[in-house]
Amino acid sequence: QLQLQESGPGLVKPSETLSLTCTVSGDPISSTSYYWGWIRQPPGQGLEWIGNIYISGSTNYNPSLNSRATISVDASRNQLSLKLSSVTAADTAVYYCARVDITIFGVVPLDYWGQGTPVTVSS
Amino acid sequence: EIVMTQSPATLSLSPGERATLSCRASQSVSSNLAWYQQKAGQAPRLLIFGASTRATGIPARFSGSGSGTEFTLTISSLQSEDFAVYYCHQYNNWPWTFGQGTMVEI
Repeated sequence: QLQLQESGPGLVKPSETLSLTCTVSGDPISSTSYYWGWIRQPPGQGLEWIGNIYISGSTNYNPSLNSRATISVDASRNQLSLKLSSVTAADTAVYYCARVDITIFGVVPLDYWGQGTPVTVSS
Repeated sequence: EIVMTQSPATLSLSPGERATLSCRASQSVSSNLAWYQQKAGQAPRLLIFGASTRATGIPARFSGSGSGTEFTLTISSLQSEDFAVYYCHQYNNWPWTFGQGTMVEI
């Protein structure tokens, strides 16, 4: 059974870099059948897609983040990571990692999610 | 960026009733449209992808329809566990975008 688990500091100071890790168990993150992505949800608000990565290293990011996001994969640890630089209070949210399945019939988006990790940006 | 607009914002219904949720895209997303259910304090759960295909383990009372710019999620007979927030999501174009959500409440 595939499981994703986010981890990282719950509190980050303004202007610093937020760093989160997503540990994947039950499937190799290096599989060519999947993308891996990050999504966030500010308190009381809706979902915002941050970006995706394929094992080749190919990435897509939300332009609304103004090039502050970097997603990478460590296949040896079966982990996905997110770095978000120059954070402000507007980056306060629950951060989720999720899987995108690539099948012969097309993409199955965000079919497995982690439980989410809350991050507060405050001095 | 494709803007996804959901209506209504809130749907007040009773168990056993039929729920119809709408999602409109600002431009065509073909059939690359998904629906998610989110309960308080939980991660979203994929219900429907490809506009009309139920994800693994999703009950048959959930159905999706539409293509292009107009989509509908129907819950044929609401169960107590179905009261939650529902999001539509387009994955046809980068950046991927979500609707603002419809809350289905008792």
